[in-house]
Amino acid sequence: DIQMTQSPSSLSASVGDRVTITCRASQGISNYLAWYQQKPGKAPKLLIYAASTLQSGVPSRFSGSGSGTDFTLTISSLQPEDVATYYCQKYNITPWTFGQGTKVEIK
Amino acid sequence: QLQLQESGPGLVKPSETLSLTCTVSGGSISSSSYYWGWIRQPPGKGLEWIGSMYYSGSTYYSPSLKSRVTISVDTSKNQFSLKLSSVTAADTGVYYCAITGTGVLATHSWGQGALVTVSS
Repeated sequence: DIQMTQSPSSLSASVGDRVTITCRASQGISNYLAWYQQKPGKAPKLLIYAASTLQSGVPSRFSGSGSGTDFTLTISSLQPEDVATYYCQKYNITPWTFGQGTKVEIK
Repeated sequence: QLQLQESGPGLVKPSETLSLTCTVSGGSISSSSYYWGWIRQPPGKGLEWIGSMYYSGSTYYSPSLKSRVTISVDTSKNQFSLKLSSVTAADTGVYYCAITGTGVLATHSWGQGALVTVSS
């Protein structure tokens, strides 16, 4: 099975900072990569699918890039409401594996 | 827009079967080309994909859970269900039902989650 590795596992940044989270697949997955945001006690929320397509209603400060094995989620200007854990997920073929998550906090 | 709601026992005894139901509102489960699936999250840990059923009836399960998992759909009730047999404490967590689109569309709709504790 394909493994998904996220880095870092956690980060602390200031409001307004540019934040980057990476996700690496152990084999190529084309662009079948999604990013989710999960706030404490809540269900995950889809931010980006197909590696770079912004889900409807998601702020434009979120963006995704990559293809094949290496992917990036970028928050262009971190806001207090972005405090959450972020997960990548590959969905080219089953099992649809998640990364281990990246916890984002405000410094 | 489709909405999902999980229901089922919050406490299950070890070795027994965990059963959860997801009720779909806002549309018909039988007329939508979606994958209907389940994802879980142990306390304080990350997300784990359990499995999904395509609207045509094909099922796909996590290799680590495949021997214990069954996902089924009841179109008459607009519901789909999860059964996980022979549970242990390691199966404790929040269980989410979710809808995944076809092609490059990802898992775009989630239920609010149901906490299931495995304990005697």
